[in-house]
Amino acid sequence: AAGVIQSPRHLIKEKRETATLKCYPIPRHDTVYWYQQGPGQDPQFLISFYEKMQSDKGSIPDRFSAQQFSDYHSELNMSSLELGDSALYFCASSQGLQNEAFFGQGTRLTVV
Amino acid sequence: GQNIDQPTEMTATEGAIVQINCTYQTSGFNGLFWYQQHAGEAPTFLSYNVLDGLEEKGRFSSFLSRSKGYSYLLLKELQMKDSASYLCAVKGSGNTGKLIFGQGTTLQVKP
Repeated sequence: AAGVIQSPRHLIKEKRETATLKCYPIPRHDTVYWYQQGPGQDPQFLISFYEKMQSDKGSIPDRFSAQQFSDYHSELNMSSLELGDSALYFCASSQGLQNEAFFGQGTRLTVV
Repeated sequence: GQNIDQPTEMTATEGAIVQINCTYQTSGFNGLFWYQQHAGEAPTFLSYNVLDGLEEKGRFSSFLSRSKGYSYLLLKELQMKDSASYLCAVKGSGNTGKLIFGQGTTLQVKP
């Protein structure tokens, strides 16, 4: 069965650079969530989209923005990167807002 | 506020049964989810409870008591591959779908 696809899997950036993370949800899933997970931490909710509209916003820095496109894929744009942004970034998708969410393999971002 | 508590670590023996508890205090409740996560990998969905009672899925079962703000994940016939972190997550109030995660319980299965 098709899963959530994230790209790239690994990304190394320097401080103050920008990064774009992509997420392709499971086919027919209309909801996308972004989470950030630091080492030894639980996933922290960043932002979500339902039917291409932002549905909720969590602890996402103003330096970050995201959107969901007409084909339901989503992109997380991160600017002015800081060392503290180094983490695993997971995208998850679901069919509607109440059903279980399935996670992608994540993008490991390292800021040096 | 939002608070989800799980034990940090647990150890169990291969072939045994282990119960991982989770207590929660959240503003609103729209379901409790359990995920398994191996280090550096994606959380994998295990089970979902929205009503009180027991949900069974093969070797995994999950129980919910909304009045007590309590859930547990029961793993039977433990295998070495079950060594992982188990995350309890709650969907809170509103219709946003976001999950609020606990810190996770690291389970080590020993031979």
